[in-house]
Amino acid sequence: SQQGEEDPQALSIQEGENATMNCSYKTSINNLQWYRQNSGRGLVHLILIRSNEREKHSGRLRVTLDTSKKSSSLLITASRAADTASYFCATDPSGNTPLVFGKGTRLSVIA
Amino acid sequence: DAGVTQSPTHLIKTRGQQVTLRCSPISGHKSVSWYQQVLGQGPQFIFQYYEKEERGRGNFPDRFSARQFPNYSSELNVNALLLGDSALYLCASSLGRQNTEAFFGQGTRLTVV
Repeated sequence: SQQGEEDPQALSIQEGENATMNCSYKTSINNLQWYRQNSGRGLVHLILIRSNEREKHSGRLRVTLDTSKKSSSLLITASRAADTASYFCATDPSGNTPLVFGKGTRLSVIA
Repeated sequence: DAGVTQSPTHLIKTRGQQVTLRCSPISGHKSVSWYQQVLGQGPQFIFQYYEKEERGRGNFPDRFSARQFPNYSSELNVNALLLGDSALYLCASSLGRQNTEAFFGQGTRLTVV
């Protein structure tokens, strides 16, 4: 079963615009991670946010975490065509259990 | 440094056959996890191995098995293949057992006909 649910399922924006993706999960977590996947190949780790953190930045990426609402958001600013990919959130329930992935958001950035 | 390598990249098998998928983790990484990703879905956890011992198993039938070798490489075996086993199989390695950053290989695309 998949704990995380990304929203929206698909998103299409123009180059230069910001893209926001949301993730909701069901149980308490140790940390939450975001991954990118290009064309159904391997996943690339983007950012990890721990349960005691509320916001984290990495380049054009900004991730927020609201543990009271069991939700996270990923913001990509000034999007580029190369950002076109599927984005997945993955939750780590306890630190020693497997990552649980959502179904992903398919982002299309149109040049 | 080489990343996580998986072989083969593509594979076509017939129902009922057996398949072995291989994964070499990043040098120094002792944890290897296997995931199955069906088209349009997120990766589903199959197995985790750490220091050559199974540390976790997902909700998959006994037809799925895996092992980790002394050099930390890993194999995933699937017996009696079904059409529903068609998927992208992903291997991820990490430094330790704790879930920090996982490094994924490019996957093996298995098609069962």
